[in-house]
Amino acid sequence: EVQLVATGGAVVQWGGSLRLSCELIGFTLDESDIHWLRYAPGKGLEWVAKIKSDGSAKYYVDSVKGRFFIFRDSSLNSVFLHMNSLRAEDTGVYYCANLDLWGRGTPVTVS
Amino acid sequence: DVVLSQSPLSLPVTLGQPASISCISSQSLVSGDGTTYLHWVQQRPGQAPRRLIYNIFYRDSGVPDRFSGSGSGTVFTLRINRVEAEDVGIYYCMQGTHWPPYTFGQGTKLEIK
Repeated sequence: EVQLVATGGAVVQWGGSLRLSCELIGFTLDESDIHWLRYAPGKGLEWVAKIKSDGSAKYYVDSVKGRFFIFRDSSLNSVFLHMNSLRAEDTGVYYCANLDLWGRGTPVTVS
Repeated sequence: DVVLSQSPLSLPVTLGQPASISCISSQSLVSGDGTTYLHWVQQRPGQAPRRLIYNIFYRDSGVPDRFSGSGSGTVFTLRINRVEAEDVGIYYCMQGTHWPPYTFGQGTKLEIK
């Protein structure tokens, strides 16, 4: 079965760091661009970052530029989102997706 | 950034009746390759979001044919032929023509009357 599995969400203090993981199952990194998106009640869905299928380019929403970093590890068939300088407005459920398919989210709470 | 405006934001519907959601873009979503990257995403309570419709009117695999998409340029519509209980959730339009960033509408909450 083709799926994406996001893990790593946690409660973290304001200004802290956290790394989210997204494991691809049933397909490989080379087959899809991978995105991170988030949902917060009252704010809806928001696109956060994207990494190209060959890892050649990375893109971010302005509000996370310089704080969040997306990268991949082919040996683990996984994409990661490293988040620094976390703020209250980063609170939400984070999803990884290739947009055709979304994984179950992992919750991040910044307190 | 492209702004997508959805209406209505709340949509109470009787089971078996049709429903319609509008999405208006702040600029044309026709890309240089001629494709319009306007999609519809469903988020059921407690579940991961799921894409229903891509490029205006193509249904994703496994999506019931009671869902249909239409529109062009800056005005788009999602229609549900006969609403079923499992359709309860939030529906978002999303654009992938002018990115980064990809952007979403505010979401329309569909509930059963």
